[in-house]
Amino acid sequence: KNEVEQSPQNLTAQEGEFITINCSYSVGISALHWLQQHPGGGIVSLFMLSSGKKKHGRLIATINIQEKHSSLHITASHPRDSAVYICAFYGGATNKLIFGTGTLLAVQP
Amino acid sequence: NAGVMQNPRHLVRRRGQEARLRCSPMKGHSHVYWYRQLPEEGLKFMVYLQKENIIDESGMPKERFSAEFPKEGPSILRIQQVVRGDSAAYFCASSRDRENSPLHFGNGTRLTVT
Repeated sequence: KNEVEQSPQNLTAQEGEFITINCSYSVGISALHWLQQHPGGGIVSLFMLSSGKKKHGRLIATINIQEKHSSLHITASHPRDSAVYICAFYGGATNKLIFGTGTLLAVQP
Repeated sequence: NAGVMQNPRHLVRRRGQEARLRCSPMKGHSHVYWYRQLPEEGLKFMVYLQKENIIDESGMPKERFSAEFPKEGPSILRIQQVVRGDSAAYFCASSRDRENSPLHFGNGTRLTVT
């Protein structure tokens, strides 16, 4: 069983739509990261959260530690939001950041 | 306050040559991580270093790959005798503390082995 599952793998949306990307994990964690990677580009850390909810502009991230689940929401999506979104966390007591497989988002005008 | 700086941005090497990838962490960050992203694949952990120490290198191939983070200067990921399968994007990230600190990523070095 994978330690982390992201869904959906691919997502196409129309500009303005509300988008949700999900991340489920199976180990105990202390914090989870949401990352954004544009095609051929670098990686940007969007959020690090260990409980509750965080908001930054049109992006909202939530986490439920008991249910081992986190979501990333994008309100009023825009074509410039098109990117791969990745959840990541330190698994258990290891030093390794474990990455989800990523969700490829395409927002069409 | 400059972010994580990686250079070169693109690196082309012939099979058998050496590749040296550099990463300067953010100011005040003493924890450095290297990740590799193979074409069409996700990110994979390679090595975690603190100043002058390798903390965890369990993600590094056993041969040809080495990493260091000297007291002065950038962290270096060194790949000897490169092969085509080493072609990938190599990302470095830094943080102030080991966990529960925001991670800051560099823009990556795209290595192409011809």
